[in-house]
Amino acid sequence: ETGVTQTPRHLVMGMTNKKSLKCEQHLGHNAMYWYKQSAKKPLELMFVYNFKEQTENNSVPSRFSPECPNSSHLFLHLHTLQPEDSALYLCASSQGRGGWGTEAFFGQGTRLTVV
Amino acid sequence: AQTVTQSQPEMSVQEAETVTLSCTYDTSESNYYLFWYKQPPSRQMILVIRQEAYKQQNATENRFSVNFQKAAKSFSLKISDSQLGDTAMYFCAFMKLTPQGGSEKLVFGKGTKLTVNP
Repeated sequence: ETGVTQTPRHLVMGMTNKKSLKCEQHLGHNAMYWYKQSAKKPLELMFVYNFKEQTENNSVPSRFSPECPNSSHLFLHLHTLQPEDSALYLCASSQGRGGWGTEAFFGQGTRLTVV
Repeated sequence: AQTVTQSQPEMSVQEAETVTLSCTYDTSESNYYLFWYKQPPSRQMILVIRQEAYKQQNATENRFSVNFQKAAKSFSLKISDSQLGDTAMYFCAFMKLTPQGGSEKLVFGKGTKLTVNP
């Protein structure tokens, strides 16, 4: 248990569906991250939030919409996805800009399958 | 932009032997951290070891140690007395720090698949 919890663990959705991934951390961290892990491009950084402010968007398509209502929660809203979006989505948190640098802690990931 | 390169897609080692995984990185930053993460079949990313760039001494954690060559931008991981449970994907990662020491984005290499054989 790393202190970062992701739900759901598995998700199957059609291309016309709308779903959301949730990430929660109670480590007191200020930075949260979304990564996409697939066979073709392992561990692609998607988004970074520091103190609820988006500080990195790695040219992610608009069908992925992140939301960070507070420093403890991070969502990834999904709509009109493509089969190539099927992957493991990992959430992580770290101290961020407000604290001393430290390692990132990861959730167990959500395995997403788009059909 | 920072890049991390792991040139060994797959490696194997016999149980109880020693193996070294290589990693190089490219950055113009002077203040950063380097990490090795392990991802077993369960998919949980687990920190193995970390190195602060300002420290000259190589980090060690039990059977795991690094060879950090800052000028060469090299950060290899040595696993001694390999165990079956060490079988996993190993990722080298770079974290940029702000001038105040806060952490910014974490960038990963493509990983090395390590298999420990009995």
